[in-house]
Amino acid sequence: AQSVTQLDSQVPVFEEAPVELRCNYSSSVSVYLFWYVQYPNQGLQLLLKYLSGSTLVESINGFEAEFNKSQTSFHLRKPSVHISDTAEYFCAVSDGYQLTFGKGTKLSVIP
Amino acid sequence: ETGVTQTPRHLVMGMTNKKSLKCEQHLGHNAMYWYKQSAKKPLELMFVYNFKEQTENNSVPSRFSPECPNSSHLFLHLHTLQPEDSALYLCASSPTRVNTEAFFGQGTRLTVV
Repeated sequence: AQSVTQLDSQVPVFEEAPVELRCNYSSSVSVYLFWYVQYPNQGLQLLLKYLSGSTLVESINGFEAEFNKSQTSFHLRKPSVHISDTAEYFCAVSDGYQLTFGKGTKLSVIP
Repeated sequence: ETGVTQTPRHLVMGMTNKKSLKCEQHLGHNAMYWYKQSAKKPLELMFVYNFKEQTENNSVPSRFSPECPNSSHLFLHLHTLQPEDSALYLCASSPTRVNTEAFFGQGTRLTVV
């Protein structure tokens, strides 16, 4: 069985400040890791993913996440957030068969 | 445009009604999924279809009935729902059942009155 824990349900942050959204997982096998973003009244969109190789992965809009196997973490970071980053972010883990989501973290960017 | 289209976007139905949710994917994928997203709960996987065959039913009540006529279309037939079934229903697809990435539709916001 696998599980995902997103430690913060809500994260408020001022515009242009850095942000970190935390994600920890548990699994008995090797995993693939994902961050999805959900804007209001929308479905989930893939933000970035770790399948293999470099443990640091980046998205096209400035987010990055680092896979830390020893700490079983996959935290999401951005050095300077924008108003348009306001959304809910979901961490997910896959054992190659089952995709399991965390409860989500609502990021609110304050002008 | 995600390549996965869901209709309708919003649906209000009474507890005695029968309605259907539709999902269509234009990505050439072979696996399709229904998820339920409720407030303050993780996404719940409801059903999985792989090459048109249902491979998983995660203890979903029989008032939800899925149908997959081909690899591009997925339906969720609803009847005699309860108010607690009100949620965002998301359809997703992936190239195969080996789940390295899922592509989601925009969802149907269902309200049961």
